[in-house]
Amino acid sequence: DGGITQSPKYLFRKEGQNVTLSCEQNLNHDAMYWYRQDPGQGLRLIYYSQIVNDFQKGDIAEGYSVSREKKESFPLTVTSAQKNPTAFYLCASSIYAGKVNTEAFFGQGTRLTVV
Amino acid sequence: LAKTTQPISMDSYEGQEVNITCSHNNIATNDYITWYQQFPSQGPRFIIQGYKTKVTNEVASLFIPADRKSSTLSLPRVSLSDTAVYYCLVVSGANNLFFGTGTRLTVIP
Repeated sequence: DGGITQSPKYLFRKEGQNVTLSCEQNLNHDAMYWYRQDPGQGLRLIYYSQIVNDFQKGDIAEGYSVSREKKESFPLTVTSAQKNPTAFYLCASSIYAGKVNTEAFFGQGTRLTVV
Repeated sequence: LAKTTQPISMDSYEGQEVNITCSHNNIATNDYITWYQQFPSQGPRFIIQGYKTKVTNEVASLFIPADRKSSTLSLPRVSLSDTAVYYCLVVSGANNLFFGTGTRLTVIP
């Protein structure tokens, strides 16, 4: 059945290491997004992509990188340059209708902890 | 990009109707108003979207006045399972999914 899948659900990383979070969707959606959420806070946009091979920075892109080589995949790399990477990371996708953004579907999230 | 303002938190007793208002003074002509619900440790879930007047679905109603500078999400007869954070978004194109801090609704038995 269709949906958006994030893996892994929990991830531990040593300081100074890069780590890549996976996000896959089989909904045939054009747009994909990555958000970061800290405890008790709202969602902050890291990167978004409207089409394959194109992506844009959100509010807090520093220390993160993404790629969009395939329509269904939008991996996020948390680099060692990210000073405080411990957070809950959410991936989402939506159909881009051209005039209005329709419903966004979210994955179950990846909780990253730096140890 | 239209900024939204909504209350940080609200409490309600079970069985009551809850109305959460969102202010979006700079909404543009092509923008839609969308509400999401988020439970702890889960991704947000779409609730309802509207452009003007009133929209109703099986979960909620959305009221939008003629000037569209605000909107009200109405949850009828809330239960404990409606305890969550509710986000109001003003959206247009695919790049316009900016979430604020939302309204934390607590339903009290």
